[in-house]
Amino acid sequence: TQLLEQSPQFLSIQEGENLTVYCNSSSVFSSLQWYRQEPGEGPVLLVTVVTGGEVKKLKRLTFQFGDARKDSSLHITAAQPGDTGLYLCAGRSQGNLIFGKGTKLSVKP
Amino acid sequence: DTAVSQTPKYLVTQMGNDKSIKCEQNLGHDTMYWYKQDSKKFLKIMFSYNNKELIINETVPNRFSPKSPDKAHLNLHINSLELGDSAVYFCASSQDFRRNEQFFGPGTRLTVL
Repeated sequence: TQLLEQSPQFLSIQEGENLTVYCNSSSVFSSLQWYRQEPGEGPVLLVTVVTGGEVKKLKRLTFQFGDARKDSSLHITAAQPGDTGLYLCAGRSQGNLIFGKGTKLSVKP
Repeated sequence: DTAVSQTPKYLVTQMGNDKSIKCEQNLGHDTMYWYKQDSKKFLKIMFSYNNKELIINETVPNRFSPKSPDKAHLNLHINSLELGDSAVYFCASSQDFRRNEQFFGPGTRLTVL
């Protein structure tokens, strides 16, 4: 069974701080996605990374796919309260989308 | 306009009852999914339908039966509800089975008493 481990599980920071969350697996994925889920809503796709070593930027968010396509990181610069939410990584393998358990981020003003 | 909609938003029912959750997508997508998110926020695929045909059926009790009357709808019927069925159920869709991006509905919070 392929598993995606996310760390940390919880993260509480002050507005303006930087942070990095991680998504790791022992398996190779053809692609990896990051979603953000806000309370009472469904996950919303932020980015898809496909190539090993790929780096994508979305405003203050930087996503990196590991060279071996087994891990990924999400870095947020100068976090804002609006970044609060559950960040989920998901790997695509054999047609299925497998989700990690998420990192719950809280950014306090 | 809502891309993926689910009804109801909340569902509270007694153990042993039968209930249904409805899902509709207006994106013209070929593939639809049902996910279950437990109290620890773990999101797990239950079913996937492509052009009204079941293509994934993860290990789910046969009390759960998906029904797809057409490409835009994927309903979930649950028989003999159990306490452990309490969770948030999400419907999602993607353009086709190979496409990465999935669009999720707002979820249905099911509470079994």
